[in-house]
Amino acid sequence: EVQLVESGGALVQPGRSLRLSCAASGFTFDDYAMHWVRQAPGKGLEWVSGISWNSGGTAYADSVKGRFTISRDNAKNSLYLEMNTLRAEDTALYYCVRIAGVVFDYWGQGSLVTVSS
Amino acid sequence: QSALTQPASVSGSPGQSITISCAGSNSDVGGYNFVSWFQHHPGTAPKLMIYDVNKRPSGVSDRFSGSKSGNTASLTISGLQAEDEADYFCCSYAGTNNWLFGGGTKLTVL
Repeated sequence: EVQLVESGGALVQPGRSLRLSCAASGFTFDDYAMHWVRQAPGKGLEWVSGISWNSGGTAYADSVKGRFTISRDNAKNSLYLEMNTLRAEDTALYYCVRIAGVVFDYWGQGSLVTVSS
Repeated sequence: QSALTQPASVSGSPGQSITISCAGSNSDVGGYNFVSWFQHHPGTAPKLMIYDVNKRPSGVSDRFSGSKSGNTASLTISGLQAEDEADYFCCSYAGTNNWLFGGGTKLTVL
């Protein structure tokens, strides 16, 4: 059974940093690209970032480019999102998502990040 | 404001059929046959129900079907069951490193 379990969400002050992790199991992790998708309170989902199976390619939404860094450790079956210079508008539930082709086929339950003073 | 437009809510009685729409543009829904639908019970992981407009993953009931006409995709659930009550959202590929989502539709089974 495919499982994606996010962790690391917290209440953090504006301007600070936070690192999210996603532990993957139930599939061959390095066969798949992985992504982060977020949902702000009361708003729709927003694609945030993606990384290829071998970390050779990364991509970011304009809203986080230059502040967030996606990475993965295939030996640990883990995906990460380093978030710097956090803003109030980054407050959201962050989902770790597996992608097959261009289809997001498995999601985690999400990790809540709240940016507030 | 979400990029794809869905109705906020729909409802139906057990056994009936309902359809949820997902309106986009010719740059996303209309431009690619890569529309997905997800079932989401808050607090749990969203579940893929339909992909590539009208394909069902293994294990998903054939009561769920998808279609597309122009810039609007649709999810139809036939033979409504109480367990179908959930939030449903659509997603469309919109080009390299670009995916758009609908705002979600709350399905109530009366």
